[in-house]
Amino acid sequence: QQQVRQSPQSLTVWEGETAILNCSYEDSTFNYFPWYQQFPGEGPALLISIRSVSDKKEDGRFTIFFNKREKKLSLHITDSQPGDSATYFCAARASSGSWQLIFGSGTQLTVMP
Amino acid sequence: EAAVTQSPRNKVTVTGGNVTLSCRQTNSHNYMYWYRQDTGHGLRLIHYSYGAGNLQIGDVPDGYKATRTTQEDFFLLLELASPSQTSLYFCASSDGASQNTLYFGAGTRLSVL
Repeated sequence: QQQVRQSPQSLTVWEGETAILNCSYEDSTFNYFPWYQQFPGEGPALLISIRSVSDKKEDGRFTIFFNKREKKLSLHITDSQPGDSATYFCAARASSGSWQLIFGSGTQLTVMP
Repeated sequence: EAAVTQSPRNKVTVTGGNVTLSCRQTNSHNYMYWYRQDTGHGLRLIHYSYGAGNLQIGDVPDGYKATRTTQEDFFLLLELASPSQTSLYFCASSDGASQNTLYFGAGTRLSVL
């Protein structure tokens, strides 16, 4: 079963627009949520992360919004640039028991110039 | 900066063939991981290790063996390769198990004909 779900599978926005990538999870013990960014031909790299005690985390043009009650989070990319075109993975980790990261299936973002 | 090197970058083999994927990290990280990436599934953990001689089973271990010979080197072995193992394989390392950043290599694309 997929414990971490991402939508949409693919997203196209114009340069300068805000891209919104969605993620939801099932396990209420998850308390750490990193987002990884992957460019073609490369491995994923940590972009930004949030812990469940916070409802927002901002890093430049990238912001995570977290809703613990609904078990949902989203990554907002403001003023999207063609260089942001990549696949974005949402992941989650529990506070106890299995510490393994569970990855979603990814959202492929294309930013058109 | 974390450096994780995988070899080969591409590999083609036949069904029933024997394949070894190699990974070396030069950051003195304790933990190393093997993931496979498939469309619609994201990244799935095959095996991981927390030190030389140690091996732990991940979420999709069937058909795979792994060996950690040194702190730096982690190998993934497919002794009887099957077409279902055609995938993009990533090695990663981290300096701790709990909520530490994963540093990924560039990946090995494996095709089993």
